[in-house]
Amino acid sequence: DADVTQTPRNRITKTGKRIMLECSQTKGHDRMYWYRQDPGLGLRLIYYSFDVKDINKGEISDGYSVSRQAQAKFSLSLESAIPNQTALYFCATSDLRTSGSANEQFFGPGTRLTVL
Amino acid sequence: QKEVEQDPGPLSVPEGAIVSLNCTYSNSAFQYFMWYRQYSRKGPELLMYTYSSGNKEDGRFTAQVDKSSKYISLFIRDSQPSDSATYLCAMSPRGGYQKVTFGIGTKLQVIP
Repeated sequence: DADVTQTPRNRITKTGKRIMLECSQTKGHDRMYWYRQDPGLGLRLIYYSFDVKDINKGEISDGYSVSRQAQAKFSLSLESAIPNQTALYFCATSDLRTSGSANEQFFGPGTRLTVL
Repeated sequence: QKEVEQDPGPLSVPEGAIVSLNCTYSNSAFQYFMWYRQYSRKGPELLMYTYSSGNKEDGRFTAQVDKSSKYISLFIRDSQPSDSATYLCAMSPRGGYQKVTFGIGTKLQVIP
């Protein structure tokens, strides 16, 4: 079944540590996204990518970086984690050919990150 | 003021009730209106989307858009315990790539 997977599902780390969250998809979609979800703030876009050579900042990119290693893989890095980066992180995909301008997005199961 | 406002709830209803979930928005450029359902410890999944104004029905779910009032609704008929989840509205303008703006989600609990 075509899917969006994220690893790890849960992670506890300490302030100052570097951490990478990974996302893979078998949907064949060209666009990939990273969001964080916080209570009371909803989903906020961190970075998005239209293809391997096209990376764009979202509304809250400070403190984060990304890498699109292949069409199917998009990883998010926290270079030096801080406690206010504790959140639920989601990867999502979409495909211009099937969703057009509606930009319907398909989400992975999420990574719960805790920074102590 | 947020571009999209959504009451976080929680909203508790008895099984079989009609549920009304709503969002208001301020950006007149929004043309696509979506509803996502998110179960606990899962990612959001798209339920329905509509383009511009009007209604769309899919089984027990009906989405309504009133662009004149900048107000969208999701109705759930004959609600079931399996409908217990958080419902997020989402919107985007038309044309090319447009960022999707999400509401914070309304938590719904359907009591058996």
